[in-house]
Amino acid sequence: EAEVAQSPRYKITEKSQAVAFWCDPISGHATLYWYRQILGQGPELLVQFQDESVVDDSQLPKDRFSAERLKGVDSTLKIQPAELGDSAMYLCASSLGVGQDNYGYTFGSGTRLTVV
Amino acid sequence: GQNIDQPTEMTATEGAIVQINCTYQTSGFNGLFWYQQHAGEAPTFLSYNVLDGLEEKGRFSSFLSRSKGYSYLLLKELQMKDSASYLCAVRAGGFKTIFGAGTRLFVKA
Repeated sequence: EAEVAQSPRYKITEKSQAVAFWCDPISGHATLYWYRQILGQGPELLVQFQDESVVDDSQLPKDRFSAERLKGVDSTLKIQPAELGDSAMYLCASSLGVGQDNYGYTFGSGTRLTVV
Repeated sequence: GQNIDQPTEMTATEGAIVQINCTYQTSGFNGLFWYQQHAGEAPTFLSYNVLDGLEEKGRFSSFLSRSKGYSYLLLKELQMKDSASYLCAVRAGGFKTIFGAGTRLFVKA
């Protein structure tokens, strides 16, 4: 069964350091999503890509977060500098395309970030 | 604003039936999803409703009433492995999907 690959699985970083997460979606999935999930809450969309273009980054804290999907395949999410409040699970998901996800998103295993 | 409400926690007995409710208020509606999420793991897709009515899939069923902004997930013949969080998610206007905070279900023997 096809999977969304994410790395690293866990990351501990010090406050003010830079951190990066990587995601490789299911082959052929045009839409890629980065979500942040704080413990006990539902996932919150940070950024949505359609191929290599950003279609929604309204909830992305752009002063410290950046995301790219240069060739429309894999994607990187970066935080610089990290703050204590960034501690959360960062989930990547993919789907065939906007409006073509009636079978839902496929999520990766996530990256559990702890900022100390 | 956009809002999705679910009970925070529920407890049920193995072998029983449980209904998890979800109410929503969103700008636009293009479908409602239910996901299951075990502790420390990623959400997995359970069901999708876009028209009013009941969708049945094995032990799981999902119901939607668009006029009431209401959905429920019905789990039958509960098993211990069903202990997890259940997330209600609405695909709103612009096809942006918004997740509720989730309902933690505890299944006891």
